[in-house]
Formats: sequence, C-alpha cells, structure tokens
Amino acid sequence: EIVLTQSPDFQSVTPKEKVTITCRASQSIGSSLHWYQQKPDQSPKLLIKYASQSISGVPSRFSGSGSGTDFTLTINSLEAEDAATYYCHQSSSLPITFGQGTRLEIK
Amino acid sequence: EVQLVESGGGLVQPGRSLRLSCAASGFTFDDYAMHWVRQAPGKGLEWVSGISWNSGSIGYADSVKGRFTISRDNAKNSLYLQMNSLRAEDTALYYCAKGVVVVADYFDYWGQGTLVTVSS
Repeated sequence: EIVLTQSPDFQSVTPKEKVTITCRASQSIGSSLHWYQQKPDQSPKLLIKYASQSISGVPSRFSGSGSGTDFTLTINSLEAEDAATYYCHQSSSLPITFGQGTRLEIK
Repeated sequence: EVQLVESGGGLVQPGRSLRLSCAASGFTFDDYAMHWVRQAPGKGLEWVSGISWNSGSIGYADSVKGRFTISRDNAKNSLYLQMNSLRAEDTALYYCAKGVVVVADYFDYWGQGTLVTVSS
C-alpha cells in the first residue's frame, strides 16, 4: 500500500497569503496524484488532477506541481472561503490511498 | 448536472449487515468507474471500494476485504455496497464517488454521503 504523508497537518494563515501544502508518497507514483478540498459539513471537491492539471470551475489561485514522490498544492492570494481541509490522493495502484489531510484556518 | 444520492445508512449492531445504495443521474452511468469512500467522525478520507464500468475490475481496501461487496446495476444507474460482519470501526459517513475510466483514477463528483453507525 502506498502511504501519502501531508505537511503540515494544520496551518493558520491570513488572507492574501500564499500557502503551500506538500504530499510525499512512500514510493514513486508518477503524476497519479490528485488534490481535493473539503469544507466543513460538505463533500470533498476535486481541485487538481494528475499533479498539475487544472479543473474547470476551480479558481486559478489553486495550482499543483510535482512528480514521483513529492508533490505540492499552492494557493496564491488566499481568500477567506479557502478555509477547509485539503487531501491528496494517489491512483497509481490499488488500494487507492489518501493523505491524512491538512486543515487550513483563516485568521 | 451530475447527481449522486446515497441511501441505506443507519444504526446497526456489530456483526449485522447493511446495504448501501447510490442513485446516479446527469451522466452516462455505464461509461464510468464508481467508488465508495468513507469518513469516520472527525477523521480523514478512506477509500473503501471501486468498480469498473462493466464490473470487470473491482478493488477493496484491506480493512473491508472479505466483508464488503461492491456491485452496480447499469440498467438502474445504481451503485451498491453490501456490508456484512459490521464492526464499530466501520462507523462513518459513506460517500459515493464518480470515477473516470479505470478503477485506479481520480473522483470528479461526490454525493452527500449516508451515515452508518455500528453500535450495540
């Protein structure tokens, strides 16, 4: 099973700040890494697919990068509505696994 | 508009069974893989099971293998999860999620979830 480790677990940030969340895989997964946003009491929402591919309807301040074992989700110019938990997810091999999540609090 | 509506959750005693359903609409159901993903109260996301468009490829998390069975009825645009020998640690919100082509891929739409509580 491929283990995904996100950092940090929690971050308190101010609006307009730039945020970087990292996801490290226990073995190489190519670019089969995806990012989701889950706001309180809501279902997860796909933000980025295949490490860096944008999703229609997702604000352009969200971007992803990386390949192999190290990946990054970047949020430029954070907005209050970005308060949420962010998860990475690998689809390189079964079983599909998620990172433990990174909770973003907006100050 | 893609819609995924889960049902069948509830309170069940340890060792008993429960069957979850997911009604899909707004897309060509039999073109896509489908999945169940769960989230225990206050915890992160855990993939439970996935099934390809024609049921030819199925996968399970180790935590549910041998106890849970995923299936689909393309004529009814429905996904199912038969859960047997339920344990307290199966307590979670169960989401139905739409996949892409193969089972090992991303999820582009999620339902609102159905809550399963395993307790005596």
